[in-house]
Amino acid sequence: AQTVTQSQPEMSVQEAETVTLSCTYDTSESDYYLFWYKQPPSRQMILVIRQEAYKQQNATENRFSVNFQKAAKSFSLKISDSQLGDAAMYFCARTSGSRLTFGEGTQLTVNP
Amino acid sequence: EAGVVQSPRYKIIEKKQPVAFWCNPISGHNTLYWYRQNLGQGPELLIRYENEEAVDDSQLPKDRFSAERLKGVDSTLKIQPAELGDSAVYLCASSSHTAEAFFGQGTRLTVV
Repeated sequence: AQTVTQSQPEMSVQEAETVTLSCTYDTSESDYYLFWYKQPPSRQMILVIRQEAYKQQNATENRFSVNFQKAAKSFSLKISDSQLGDAAMYFCARTSGSRLTFGEGTQLTVNP
Repeated sequence: EAGVVQSPRYKIIEKKQPVAFWCNPISGHNTLYWYRQNLGQGPELLIRYENEEAVDDSQLPKDRFSAERLKGVDSTLKIQPAELGDSAVYLCASSSHTAEAFFGQGTRLTVV
């Protein structure tokens, strides 16, 4: 089975500091999408950032950026200037055709 | 623009009882997904619709689960009869051609 692996079940960061969440994936496709979703206690999955595999440039959305290493099948998320509202469960996800496969998630705690 | 709407948000039922979840996707989104999320895990796809057609239901336990998407808009997911192991959050999502899925707030099902 093609999988998405998040090796860090939990991470913590001090407010205003930077944190990086790791994600690796398996795929036999050359064209696909990668996503990071945030899930706060309200349960709603919120899209944080997306990356198209055919684009070499790393995606950036305000304080959120990714380090996409296609050959290594790695897709890490960097959160800069962490805020208390960033505390949540973060899921990495990969498309396979139109199916979206998620990792197990990383619980991020932001300490004041 | 209204997001994906799910109801109910919470449901508690006794085992062997039936239960149904409803989803209204974002207007114009042809693709609709039902995911199940167990506690502390990432969402797992149950079924994906393209308009009215179920194109990926390989993960749906067909002996007790059923789904429909009438007229290619709203969708209903049913479990009959429910088992203790069905306790989870059931997430509905929709997408258009841009690949990312937009999620509803989910239904937390507790089977006692």
